[in-house]
Amino acid sequence: ETGVTQTPRHLVMGMTNKKSLKCEQHLGHNAMYWYKQSAKKPLELMFVYNFKEQTENNSVPSRFSPECPNSSHLFLHLHTLQPEDSALYLCASSQDRGRMSYEQYFGPGTRLTVT
Amino acid sequence: GQNIDQPTEMTATEGAIVQINCTYQTSGFNGLFWYQQHAGEAPTFLSYNVLDGLEEKGRFSSFLSRSKGYSYLLLKELQMKDSASYLCAVTDSNYQLIWGAGTKLIIKP
Repeated sequence: ETGVTQTPRHLVMGMTNKKSLKCEQHLGHNAMYWYKQSAKKPLELMFVYNFKEQTENNSVPSRFSPECPNSSHLFLHLHTLQPEDSALYLCASSQDRGRMSYEQYFGPGTRLTVT
Repeated sequence: GQNIDQPTEMTATEGAIVQINCTYQTSGFNGLFWYQQHAGEAPTFLSYNVLDGLEEKGRFSSFLSRSKGYSYLLLKELQMKDSASYLCAVTDSNYQLIWGAGTKLIIKP
């Protein structure tokens, strides 16, 4: 595997379910990100991890819970979601968080539908 | 507040040239990125500008004017595969990446 991978690619869940999204990067990067992408809206940064430490939580509801066990893996645990949480969830990585010129590499995303 | 503006949608003809504009108002400036995103796929990096001027990379060029808070992405010799959304993003003084909503580019034969 190369680059950034995400599983599952598609997920349909009810509002009472609990599920997890997984992201893995094979680039040796130290920073990982979760984004939410809704139609015709800017990418919304949700969480940032730098060297396994969470450095940013952009006022994300507690029904989204991130986990970063090591620099290569990132999870997003979901529970009691709302229909408005339906979106494309993108994972990204970069060399680290502090350098302004480091581009981010994105995974293909998980298309989440909450019913 | 911080804001990135880009047109929602543009249409161009195969073989032609198109310019996608991006204006920004951010707390500080530490660079501007352009990403390409095909429908249903991940955004991929196209260019990075931190100094004023034009950066050319094959058929794609990106221009930056920091004094005007303005950038554009220029695509030459358009191909059908260039149909995608183009995302402009600015790094502010806290290294936060502020994203625009993207410009959907439609290429017609």
